[in-house]
Amino acid sequence: GAGVSQSPSNKVTEKGKDVELRCDPISGHTALYWYRQSLGQGLEFLIYFQGNSAPDKSGLPSDRFSAERTGGSVSTLTIQRTQQEDSAVYLCASSWDRGHNEKLFFGSGTQLSVL
Amino acid sequence: GNSVTQMEGPVTLSEEAFLTINCTYTATGYPSLFWYVQYPGEGLQLLLKATKADDKGSNKGFEATYRKETTSFHLEKGSVQVSDSAVYFCALIQSTGFQKLVFGTGTRLLVSP
Repeated sequence: GAGVSQSPSNKVTEKGKDVELRCDPISGHTALYWYRQSLGQGLEFLIYFQGNSAPDKSGLPSDRFSAERTGGSVSTLTIQRTQQEDSAVYLCASSWDRGHNEKLFFGSGTQLSVL
Repeated sequence: GNSVTQMEGPVTLSEEAFLTINCTYTATGYPSLFWYVQYPGEGLQLLLKATKADDKGSNKGFEATYRKETTSFHLEKGSVQVSDSAVYFCALIQSTGFQKLVFGTGTRLLVSP
């Protein structure tokens, strides 16, 4: 596609529910990243994919968070049993490969609100 | 660990004013430094970068110089426009190991006509 696409753009959920956030990277980009942007906080790294594998998932805040990538393309970030502190903008980015990852292309994000 | 500290916003300026957004960093080794910009309703995009000490990154009238002695990478523009209103993020990549970006908290710039 023309850019990184994320869906939904907004998600409101109740505490305790599970949510799935989707990212479609730019076609051909092998590296994919998830970041979280909380109010008053910087962008927080969550997980990095190279192809379908995740060499670095050190930023996932708890075992309620998981992510997968299939076909070297689409990625899904899943948050189980959501808590209010999970409310944030979840950003996905992609790049050609890890050697050029300063040239990240970001999506517009998913605004998650947990009530 | 590596970290980036930015001045808090919002920064409110009139059109054609001079802009400075301060950024300092803490890192091991010799990181590369970046400014990313997020316009309203859009994703972050790379604005400029510098990969070694004394390098100056520039784009769209914005400049930042990599100062190793002060561990700083301040963003400047001589004359801002309304269209520059956005959130600006300073970031670094560590020079070794997995190269993930470390971002600051972002500084919102509001430019009025």
